[in-house]
Amino acid sequence: ETGVTQTPRHLVMGMTNKKSLKCEQHLGHNAMYWYKQSAKKPLELMFVYNFKEQTENNSVPSRFSPECPNSSHLFLHLHTLQPEDSALYLCASTPSRGETQYFGPGTRLLVL
Amino acid sequence: KQEVTQIPAALSVPEGENLVLNCSFTDSAIYNLQWFRQDPGKGLTSLLLIQSSQREQTSGRLNASLDKSSGRSTLYIAASQPGDSATYLCAVNPRKTSGSRLTFGEGTQLTVNP
Repeated sequence: ETGVTQTPRHLVMGMTNKKSLKCEQHLGHNAMYWYKQSAKKPLELMFVYNFKEQTENNSVPSRFSPECPNSSHLFLHLHTLQPEDSALYLCASTPSRGETQYFGPGTRLLVL
Repeated sequence: KQEVTQIPAALSVPEGENLVLNCSFTDSAIYNLQWFRQDPGKGLTSLLLIQSSQREQTSGRLNASLDKSSGRSTLYIAASQPGDSATYLCAVNPRKTSGSRLTFGEGTQLTVNP
């Protein structure tokens, strides 16, 4: 168990739905990340939060909206997604400096 | 823009064989490099982290080397076992500042046959 949990583990949604992904870490880390992993493509960094402040947005479409209410929780709000957004969404955390990243198990998202 | 390449894309070996996975990166200005393991449909597990000032790191049957000037890293797995079957990912971190920004390769899918 890595100490990083993600819910739900699987999600199927229509293009007009609104849903949220949740990530929680119990490691006392200050930095949290959202990654997207599509089939046959490298992991893509989406967002970085450090001490609850967003420090990186990797040109992610506005239909993905992150929220970090505190250092332990990270959300990804989804609305009007496209089928090509179907992927495994991974959350990770680190201490504030560039050290080992601890990943959650991911949410497998299917957009119909 | 940093690019990370992993060769081979897939590898199948018999149990007990020693093997090497390769990772190359285009920008040698990195802070550290990590090797991860990913089982099907699961998250990533960190295996080894090498700082830019280090040449290698070892953990059990795993040994990772780093040649920053040539932009290369290798992951050596000794006496492979069926439980080693997974996708192995290499990632480089460009900076020491708050929060790290990893760039990943596409991975090497390893199958160890009993």
